[in-house]
Amino acid sequence: GAVVSQHPSRVICKSGTSVKIECRSLDFQATTMFWYRQFPKKSLMLMATSNEGSKATYEQGVEKDKFLINHASLTLSTLTVTSAHPEDSSFYICSAMINNEQFFGPGTRLTVL
Amino acid sequence: AQRVTQPEKLLSVFKGAPVELKCNYSYSGSPELFWYVQYSRQRLQLLLRHISRESIKGFTADLNKGETSFHLKKPFAQEEDSAMYYCALRWGDDKIIFGKGTRLHILP
Repeated sequence: GAVVSQHPSRVICKSGTSVKIECRSLDFQATTMFWYRQFPKKSLMLMATSNEGSKATYEQGVEKDKFLINHASLTLSTLTVTSAHPEDSSFYICSAMINNEQFFGPGTRLTVL
Repeated sequence: AQRVTQPEKLLSVFKGAPVELKCNYSYSGSPELFWYVQYSRQRLQLLLRHISRESIKGFTADLNKGETSFHLKKPFAQEEDSAMYYCALRWGDDKIIFGKGTRLHILP
């Protein structure tokens, strides 16, 4: 099946810095990618829908200026957490839609000190 | 509003015993439901979807619109079934919402 990769798998940063997470679809093109965040003991929460060549669509309550999404090509979407704070520490997962099915990346663990 | 409820955080079942992971949903339209599984240290992956009516790894799930449920079942649990299971509802522009997940622990 289709494979989605994420980089980095783990990142630790200082409060106030920005962190970029990459999501790549391997061997196929994905016009639509999704970004999720998993809070401890809670479900995956959809943050935004990333469409190649256009602005991302953010879910209610997600700050678009805080979580910048860029889908510059059919195989790459990036999520940048700007001016990160400890409350941004979480597990971020991306997925790509291909042939009506979602394929998930392995996730990125972000820890903000 | 759309909602997916998995009432059990943890389900422990003996090997060989039947398994049932509960999932209830709330959606005013025609639902499209899925079960996803995440094995230890692996990524989330699709287990089955209600549309295909298939059986994967011995698991089945029937959509019951009257009870708004999509419970996951397997007649005989195996140790390799231990994992985190998420019920999910797809709606709108290919958006998916997930339940909180149920950790299935198969006891030897």
